[in-house]
Amino acid sequence: EDQVTQSPEALRLQEGESSSLNCSYTVSGLRGLFWYRQDPGKGPEFLFTLYSAGEEKEKERLKATLTKKESFLHITAPKPEDSATYLCAVPTDSWGKLQFGAGTQVVVTP
Amino acid sequence: DGGITQSPKYLFRKEGQNVTLSCEQNLNHDAMYWYRQDPGQGLRLIYYSQIVNDFQKGDIAEGYSVSREKKESFPLTVTSAQKNPTAFYLCASSIKGNTEAFFGQGTRLTVV
Repeated sequence: EDQVTQSPEALRLQEGESSSLNCSYTVSGLRGLFWYRQDPGKGPEFLFTLYSAGEEKEKERLKATLTKKESFLHITAPKPEDSATYLCAVPTDSWGKLQFGAGTQVVVTP
Repeated sequence: DGGITQSPKYLFRKEGQNVTLSCEQNLNHDAMYWYRQDPGQGLRLIYYSQIVNDFQKGDIAEGYSVSREKKESFPLTVTSAQKNPTAFYLCASSIKGNTEAFFGQGTRLTVV
């Protein structure tokens, strides 16, 4: 069965305290992995797409990496505005059906 | 501005009523999706469509119906058969399947 598991469920950081979020997946034939950011009461905002092991993508203080079994989202020197829930998702069929993880809620305090 | 528009933002429904949630996109995307999000849970797929006049059931399609008569529109009807419809509903679109999906701002449905 295709599964996407994110850890930790919640993360509380001091401003400037770097950390990493994990997304592990079991899916036959990876067709890509997507990272999103979601603010309360809003739709998810697309961040990154990763397609192959070893690939890395960066945007401001965020960096996403991919291995054969998991992906990491590294937050470097976070600011309070980085507070959000971060979601990862993988397609589980050729039609684009996405399986989402439950998300990691990140809170960055000044 | 290109994007995905969901309406209304908030919707209240009486038990036993059907309601329709609107989703329109002007991104010229082929694929469209409906997800449901409950507090503390991940997104669960209700229905998805890759082309006009064709759609597939997702993981939780019972009590829901959709249509795809136009490329830019993918309305979702929550029927009276849906036993627990109170949730946050999200519509998304992508250029095609297996490419990144972009989301609307959601509709919060409450049954009163």
